[in-house]
Amino acid sequence: QVQLRESGPGLVKPSETLSLTCTVSGGSLSYYYWTWIRQPPGKGLEWIGYIYYSGSTSYSPSLKSRVTLSLDTSKNQVSLRLSSVTAADTAVYYCARDNQDGDLDYWGQGTLVTVSS
Amino acid sequence: QTVVTQEPSFSVSPGGTVTLTCGLSSGSVSTSHFPSWYQQTPGQAPRTLIYKTKIRSSGVPDRFSGSILGDKAALTITGAQADDESDYYCVLYISSGNNWVFGGGTKLTVL
Repeated sequence: QVQLRESGPGLVKPSETLSLTCTVSGGSLSYYYWTWIRQPPGKGLEWIGYIYYSGSTSYSPSLKSRVTLSLDTSKNQVSLRLSSVTAADTAVYYCARDNQDGDLDYWGQGTLVTVSS
Repeated sequence: QTVVTQEPSFSVSPGGTVTLTCGLSSGSVSTSHFPSWYQQTPGQAPRTLIYKTKIRSSGVPDRFSGSILGDKAALTITGAQADDESDYYCVLYISSGNNWVFGGGTKLTVL
């Protein structure tokens, strides 16, 4: 059974870089897109970007200047870095596996990141 | 900036049928936008219901169906049940930017 788990600091200071890792167990990174999505408290979902197992990426235009996705196949991990964070980046961050054209068939449980001094 | 529109809220009676829509602030939604639909209950990660306009994700009951209605993508729930009370999100693929954009979500009440 494929499982995804997000991990990282729950509190980040303004202007610093948010770093999260999504560890995939029970399956390989190969042949899938790995997507990051976030949800501010009480608000809707926002697509952040995806990384293909080959390393190619796509990012939300509104976050493109600040976000970097990477993967480590040896550790079966996908990582998210978001720089110069503000309070507006406070959200639950989810990673998900894209099986095919939007079929996000496995999700992590999400991790809350709060941006505050 | 692409804006994806959804009804903020909707209500349906138990056993009834409801159609939620997903549009674009400018232009029509087509199959080329690969509309997908997700269901989310409070405190839980979303779950995929429909992808590529009308394909049900694994394990999704056939009460849920997707389509294009006019210039919007649509999610229809037939025979609504109490546990269908959730938030529903659509997402569209924007080919010009090779990115996806979520709608604001629809809060569905079953009463």
